[in-house]
Amino acid sequence: KQEVTQIPAALSVPEGENLVLNCSFTDSAIYNLQWFRQDPGKGLTSLLLIQSSQREQTSGRLNASLDKSSGRSTLYIAASQPGDSATYLCAVLIQGAQKLVFGQGTRLTINP
Amino acid sequence: DAGITQSPRHKVTETGTPVTLRCHQTENHRYMYWYRQDPGHGLRLIHYSYGVKDTDKGEVSDGYSVSRSKTEDFLLTLESATSSQTSVYFCAISEKTANSPLHFGNGTRLTVT
Repeated sequence: KQEVTQIPAALSVPEGENLVLNCSFTDSAIYNLQWFRQDPGKGLTSLLLIQSSQREQTSGRLNASLDKSSGRSTLYIAASQPGDSATYLCAVLIQGAQKLVFGQGTRLTINP
Repeated sequence: DAGITQSPRHKVTETGTPVTLRCHQTENHRYMYWYRQDPGHGLRLIHYSYGVKDTDKGEVSDGYSVSRSKTEDFLLTLESATSSQTSVYFCAISEKTANSPLHFGNGTRLTVT
């Protein structure tokens, strides 16, 4: 059974720092990995999708990497801002199933 | 933002009553999903649809049924609500396959008393 883990559960950093969020998964048989952000009381917003054949994806200040063989992904946020405060979730799409398995998220707080 | 509307946004109901949640999309996306989000469990898939009248079960489908009679609407029904179904329910859509980015609605907070 695929399990997705995000550590730490919460992270607080001062504004301007570069930071890395971690995601690990137990089964490397995935189609893709997606990163989302969720603001309080809202749904999830898709940030980046990395296909299993890719190593990384970039969007603005965000860069996500994927190492399928080791079951790891990282989300790098450059020059963090208070508006980046949110919960960040990763999810993997299992091969042979139309189903995403989610991690429980990292709650990120950027302090002004 | 993807055009996804969930209704109602909040609902309180009593144990044993039927409840229907609605998801409406304006994107003409083929795939639609219902998730529930609970502390300690994260997001879990209830049911999904890959086309009109084509649906399948997710990992926590017991006690739930779905229907999709039109591309734009996906209904989730709790036939007889229980307290364990108190949760936040999210609808999501994707364009082609699950190998496309997933876009979420803003959720329905359901409380079963």
